[in-house]
Amino acid sequence: QKEVEQDPGPLSVPEGAIVSLNCTYSNSAFQYFMWYRQYSRKGPELLMYTYSSGNKEDGRFTAQVDKSSKYISLFIRDSQPSDSATYLCAMKEGGQGFSFIFGKGTRLLVKP
Amino acid sequence: DTGVSQDPRHKITKRGQNVTFRCDPISEHNRLYWYRQTLGQGPEFLTYFQNEAQLEKSRLLSDRFSAERPKGSFSTLEIQRTEQGDSAMYLCASSLSDSDQPQHFGDGTRLSIL
Repeated sequence: QKEVEQDPGPLSVPEGAIVSLNCTYSNSAFQYFMWYRQYSRKGPELLMYTYSSGNKEDGRFTAQVDKSSKYISLFIRDSQPSDSATYLCAMKEGGQGFSFIFGKGTRLLVKP
Repeated sequence: DTGVSQDPRHKITKRGQNVTFRCDPISEHNRLYWYRQTLGQGPEFLTYFQNEAQLEKSRLLSDRFSAERPKGSFSTLEIQRTEQGDSAMYLCASSLSDSDQPQHFGDGTRLSIL
């Protein structure tokens, strides 16, 4: 079992839909959770950064962490064609560990 | 633009040649990371620096790879005797020295081996 699992998609939705993107993980020591958006031929762009369990909202984006289920989600409300990209989850253990573990990414396509 | 800057954006070379990439991190960031990303995969960690000290190297970083950050500012990643399998996007990221801070990425250098 890989440390971080993420469905590669593609996930195709109509404009205005609510999008749900998910990652599961096996390492219970992960405490920091991130979502990055990556457009084609560009670097990953940090969207959300959360610590431990709970929800965090930023504009149209909401990140949820459920440590008991080892499951994290990113919700995008009122999705736009400009949201079409690959979304990567990343995780890190607490303490002095430096290494972030990334999922493979989910490709999202928002159709006008 | 005060983000992470990488140069060149695309490098095409013949197998067996040496290549060098440069990364300029966000100015106040002490930590600098190198990752490799292939198509359909997430970034894979290669190495990281705290200021000028290289503190960790992945087993992915073979003897043909070397990274430096001589003055704790910009960094270079060199690949000697390139192989077909080295074709990938090489990403640089930086962060503040607090180990729990997220990393901010550049747009990468795409390496194509002919």
